[in-house]
Amino acid sequence: GAGVSQSPRYKVAKRGQDVALRCDPISGHVSLFWYQQALGQGPEFLTYFQNEAQLDKSGLPSDRFFAERPEGSVSTLKIQRTQQEDSAVYLCASSVFRDRGNGELFFGEGSRLTVL
Amino acid sequence: QQPVQSPQAVILREGEDAVINCSSSKALYSVHWYRQKHGEAPVFLMILLKGGEQKGHEKISASFNEKKQQSSLYLTASQLSYSGTYFCGQTGGGTSYGKLTFGQGTILTVHP
Repeated sequence: GAGVSQSPRYKVAKRGQDVALRCDPISGHVSLFWYQQALGQGPEFLTYFQNEAQLDKSGLPSDRFFAERPEGSVSTLKIQRTQQEDSAVYLCASSVFRDRGNGELFFGEGSRLTVL
Repeated sequence: QQPVQSPQAVILREGEDAVINCSSSKALYSVHWYRQKHGEAPVFLMILLKGGEQKGHEKISASFNEKKQQSSLYLTASQLSYSGTYFCGQTGGGTSYGKLTFGQGTILTVHP
């Protein structure tokens, strides 16, 4: 497809389970971001990749969160031992730009995680 | 630190105008505007860069006051399709790759 694709769209997990969320960015996009969006709030930055390099993971809320992009295209966000406070929509965005703040971000529709 | 948007919500009739404001407490390099409809991906509207450059691809306009660290989005002759939540996002001068910090959003509802 032409846009950013995320899967699964919906995930229900029991507290303590591990989950993996996948992002397939637009082909050729160098930059990839993960954001977390709680209900009624703006997206909050989690982590950033430039190609396969994770250049910023300052937004990851705990060491239970892990992201990778091993070949510089598809990325996976993994959450271990999920907690109820992890319930949110996880948005992936990609951009052709690598520098400064002058690039449009293309967002996926997100993966809605509900932890019971 | 998160930018502050105002108002939190706006209700319009088709054809009316609206202004959404975004204020920051820190020096800005750029301000981005996105619109998100319920259950959908945020969609890019506009980027305003320090120095006056603007990039956008919709029939909207915006301003960026670097001195006041504020941006405003102007929606004129609103259409039903303008309904959604508008987010401003900011990048600071020290950011080298466009990491955005988003505001809490402004909900815009346009009625026929």
